[in-house]
Amino acid sequence: DIQMTQSPSSLSASVGDRVTITCRASQSISRYLNWYQQKPGKAPKLLIYAASSLESGVPSRFSGSGSATDFTLTINNLQPEDVATYYCQRGYITPLTFGGGTKVEI
Amino acid sequence: QVTLKESGPVLVKPTETLTLTCTVSGFSLSNERMSVSWIRQPPGKALEWLAHIFSNDEKSYSTSLQSRLSISKDTSKSQVVLTMTNMNPVDTATYYCARVRIVSYAMDVWGPGTTVTVSS
Repeated sequence: DIQMTQSPSSLSASVGDRVTITCRASQSISRYLNWYQQKPGKAPKLLIYAASSLESGVPSRFSGSGSATDFTLTINNLQPEDVATYYCQRGYITPLTFGGGTKVEI
Repeated sequence: QVTLKESGPVLVKPTETLTLTCTVSGFSLSNERMSVSWIRQPPGKALEWLAHIFSNDEKSYSTSLQSRLSISKDTSKSQVVLTMTNMNPVDTATYYCARVRIVSYAMDVWGPGTTVTVSS
């Protein structure tokens, strides 16, 4: 199975900062990579699909990039409500493996 | 409005079989562009994908858990059922079902989750 590795596992940043989270696949997955935000006690929420497409209703400060094995989620102008854990997920074919998560704090 | 809701026991004993139901609304389980996955999350840990069922009834399972999992659906009732045999305390987790868009395999709508504790 393809493994998904996220880094860092946690980070602390200030309001207004630019935050970058990385997800690496153990083999090429083209652009079949999705990103989710999970706040404590809540179900995950889809942010980005197909590596760089912004889900409807998601603020434009969130963006995704990458292809093959290396992907990035960027949060521009970090806001207090962005405190959450972020997960990448392999798409296109099962198993739909998740990364280990990145906890973002302020 | 698309919604999913998980239901099932809060507490199960070790070695018992867990049966969870995901009831969906706002879309049909026969829609070829949509499907449903089950995902779980142990307390304080990461998300773990478990199983998936397509509109044509094709099924897929986590490699590490496939011997214990079974997924099925009843389109007329708008329900997807997950069973997990031989439950163990390490299976204590919040279990989610989610709608999956076939084009991107993105999980675009999630249920609120149901917490299952495995204890004698």
